[in-house]
Amino acid sequence: EVQLVESGGGLVQPGGSLRLSCAASGFTVSSYEMHWVRQVTGKGLEWVSAIGTAGDTFYPGSVKGRFTISRENARNSLYLQMSSLRAEDTAVYYCAREAAPGTSAFDIWGQGTMVTVSS
Amino acid sequence: QSVLTQPPSVSGAPGQRVTISCTGSSSNIGAGYDVHWYQQLPGTAPKLLIYGNTNRPSGVPDRFSGSKSGTSASLAITGLQAEDEADYYCQSYDSSLSGRVFGGGTKLTVL
Repeated sequence: EVQLVESGGGLVQPGGSLRLSCAASGFTVSSYEMHWVRQVTGKGLEWVSAIGTAGDTFYPGSVKGRFTISRENARNSLYLQMSSLRAEDTAVYYCAREAAPGTSAFDIWGQGTMVTVSS
Repeated sequence: QSVLTQPPSVSGAPGQRVTISCTGSSSNIGAGYDVHWYQQLPGTAPKLLIYGNTNRPSGVPDRFSGSKSGTSASLAITGLQAEDEADYYCQSYDSSLSGRVFGGGTKLTVL
């Protein structure tokens, strides 16, 4: 079964760091462009980062310089290293697979992991 | 303020047809980038509903259809059912922002 399972969320103080993990099964992470998308409770979706099959990375301005996306082929996993966290980073974080190169559609999503930034 | 604009809410009675609009600009939908639609049931992750403007993934009923024209796109749902009550999001790519962008979401209420 094709599946993504996130972990690593939790409570962190403003200015702190957290690393999210996303374990994939049923497909090879390195063969797809992979993404992180977040959602503030009761609000809409926001794209957070992407890593291409060649290892190139992409970020929106809201997290650039603070968040780092990476993957580990041996573990078939995706990661999001978050630093200098702010209250506005509080959200459910989803990892997602891009359906096919260049499509930009996310066909597989994890169940999400909650990140709370608060003192 | 989302890059793609959706109505906050729509509603319809069972069996009726509803449409949800998604309005963009010349740097995203109007530039020719594809629009995708997601359905998010309460407490769950989003699910891909329409990709590449008009295509349905396997398993999505043909009651759901998508279209695109100019700087806008639409999701149509016919034969409304109670289980269609959910939040719906459009998504595309924006060349000015160099990234994926979402609409603010539309809550569908089945009366």
